[in-house]
Amino acid sequence: EPEVTQTPSHQVTQMGQEVILRCVPISNHLYFYWYRQILGQKVEFLVSFYNNEISEKSEIFDDQFSVERPDGSNFTLKIRSTKLEDSAMYFCASSPAGQGVYQPQHFGDGTRLSIL
Amino acid sequence: ILNVEQSPQSLHVQEGDSTNFTCSFPSSNFYALHWYRWETAKSPEALFVMTLNGDEKKKGRISATLNTKEGYSYLYIKGSQPEDSATYLCASYNFNKFYFGSGTKLNVKP
Repeated sequence: EPEVTQTPSHQVTQMGQEVILRCVPISNHLYFYWYRQILGQKVEFLVSFYNNEISEKSEIFDDQFSVERPDGSNFTLKIRSTKLEDSAMYFCASSPAGQGVYQPQHFGDGTRLSIL
Repeated sequence: ILNVEQSPQSLHVQEGDSTNFTCSFPSSNFYALHWYRWETAKSPEALFVMTLNGDEKKKGRISATLNTKEGYSYLYIKGSQPEDSATYLCASYNFNKFYFGSGTKLNVKP
């Protein structure tokens, strides 16, 4: 069965550095999402992406964050000038065509980001 | 920030027991309610997407109902098995964003 894959599984970065988290969604999916879960807290929505542009973003997704679909297969989350509070598990998800919110989302295994 | 609450936080049942848990979500500007099954060290797995008031969905021994007017959904597991042990997570789509609950952690003892 097709899967959403995320790399790396664990990323350790110094505070202030930039980090790029990578995701390969399922190939025929059209809606893409990033979520994060800070340890001990709820999963939080960051951003949704459709038709090569951001369709919705949360209050968390400020100018520090950006997303890109550079080559039609990868979907990346860039975090500039990382802070300690960016340490979290970051999940990518994708869903098929046809009114994205009404379709089940397929999640990757996540990238654990640790900021030192 | 809208609040989605799940109860109970955790549940321990014996194999063969039937069980249910609740997801409460804001009813304003509501579009959909997603249920996920999330095993430790794995990714969340979609169970159901529910949209209409009175919706009932079933997948094997697991079923769910939706009340959009009062803002709650129930997830039922009939005849729990040890392999049902996981965290069951709901997410509500309101005002064009997803809001997640904290999950109900189910442990089924053989």
